[in-house]
Amino acid sequence: ILNVEQSPQSLHVQEGDSTNFTCSFPSSNFYALHWYRWETAKSPEALFVMTLNGDEKKKGRISATLNTKEGYSYLYIKGSQPEDSATYLCAWYSGGGADGLTFGKGTHLIIQP
Amino acid sequence: NAGVTQTPKFRVLKTGQSMTLLCAQDMNHEYMYWYRQDPGMGLRLIHYSVGEGTTAKGEVPDGYNVSRLKKQNFLLGLESAAPSQTSVYFCASSYPQGRSGQYFGPGTRLTVT
Repeated sequence: ILNVEQSPQSLHVQEGDSTNFTCSFPSSNFYALHWYRWETAKSPEALFVMTLNGDEKKKGRISATLNTKEGYSYLYIKGSQPEDSATYLCAWYSGGGADGLTFGKGTHLIIQP
Repeated sequence: NAGVTQTPKFRVLKTGQSMTLLCAQDMNHEYMYWYRQDPGMGLRLIHYSVGEGTTAKGEVPDGYNVSRLKKQNFLLGLESAAPSQTSVYFCASSYPQGRSGQYFGPGTRLTVT
């Protein structure tokens, strides 16, 4: 099983600051890269699904970029708010059917007022 | 539109007991998945289904069985529960091929004593 690595594992950010974190994945057999937001006591919710090298997606203050050739994606949060506190998961899809989605362990983000 | 629902939300079993977890989705998704989530391990795929009447093994299938008799339902069975199966179980569904995000249920917290 090929690994999906996320860094850092956890992150404390002051309210109003911007932040970013990384997802690394195998650059071979790339099909799609997913980002999910997972709030405590809730279930993961899809943020972005990215498929093309150089893709950039945006939803409000959150954006993501994708580099399939070198195998990484960045998630950016601009002007962090307390409601951004969550674990952010990325998942790499290799196109191997439904079992091709491999999740990272997540970055746990805490926004401090 | 309820999305993905799971029954039950919590359960405590004794070693050797059996139980079935029910997942239901009302989005007409072809693909359905069962994951387990353990501290420090991220989400790991147990079994999945690409359509009614079909199931397949994921990363950690041992000790579990599944059935997909109806498109909207995906059942996860534990025939003889073990303490190692103490976990939070998430069901998810999606459109095919990994180019759309997965929709997750609220989770079932299972403790095996």
